[in-house]
Amino acid sequence: DVKVTQSSRYLVKRTGEKVFLECVQDMDHENMFWYRQDPGLGLRLIYFSYDVKMKEKGDIPEGYSVSREKKERFSLILESASTNQTSMYLCASSLSPGGRLHEQYFGPGTRLTVT
Amino acid sequence: GQNIDQPTEMTATEGAIVQINCTYQTSGFNGLFWYQQHAGEAPTFLSYNVLDGLEEKGRFSSFLSRSKGYSYLLLKELQMKDSASYLCAVVYNTDKLIFGTGTRLQVFP
Repeated sequence: DVKVTQSSRYLVKRTGEKVFLECVQDMDHENMFWYRQDPGLGLRLIYFSYDVKMKEKGDIPEGYSVSREKKERFSLILESASTNQTSMYLCASSLSPGGRLHEQYFGPGTRLTVT
Repeated sequence: GQNIDQPTEMTATEGAIVQINCTYQTSGFNGLFWYQQHAGEAPTFLSYNVLDGLEEKGRFSSFLSRSKGYSYLLLKELQMKDSASYLCAVVYNTDKLIFGTGTRLQVFP
């Protein structure tokens, strides 16, 4: 079974802090993704990566950056946390882009609150 | 732009059948996923359709019509544990994936 783990289930940070969210997958997947999920807005893609050292912006990258130094690890960074970044953050991985192989395996999520 | 529409909420009774619809407008369609997400948990894979027709998997079936930009998820013999959100997601332009906002299903005894 594919396992995707995230460093924290719950996190509380102050406005202006730098925040790191870590994600690790154990199935040698090429692709990794970071989403945020908000009521009424669904899952929105922040950043994704199809290879080590590679990253691409998703639909809402502003205020975020990412790092993928190793294939199994994909980190999301909030450079200066703001209250509008309070959300559920979900990491996902998939074997390959395209078609059936694009099935995403999700981590348990990190509920981040910025005060 | 790319767009997916699903009803926001549905209710049904235990033992009944419910159909959750999804319509989409995307370029370069390359498959459609359905995911189930229980409250506070991660989405999990239910089904994948890329050709027109019905895919059956136990109590769950998923249908696709590419010409109509339409899919539905059919849940039979509803159980209380089926209370969850159901997310429709479309693969487009070969390797991009977009999620709908999800349909929250409540099953009552």
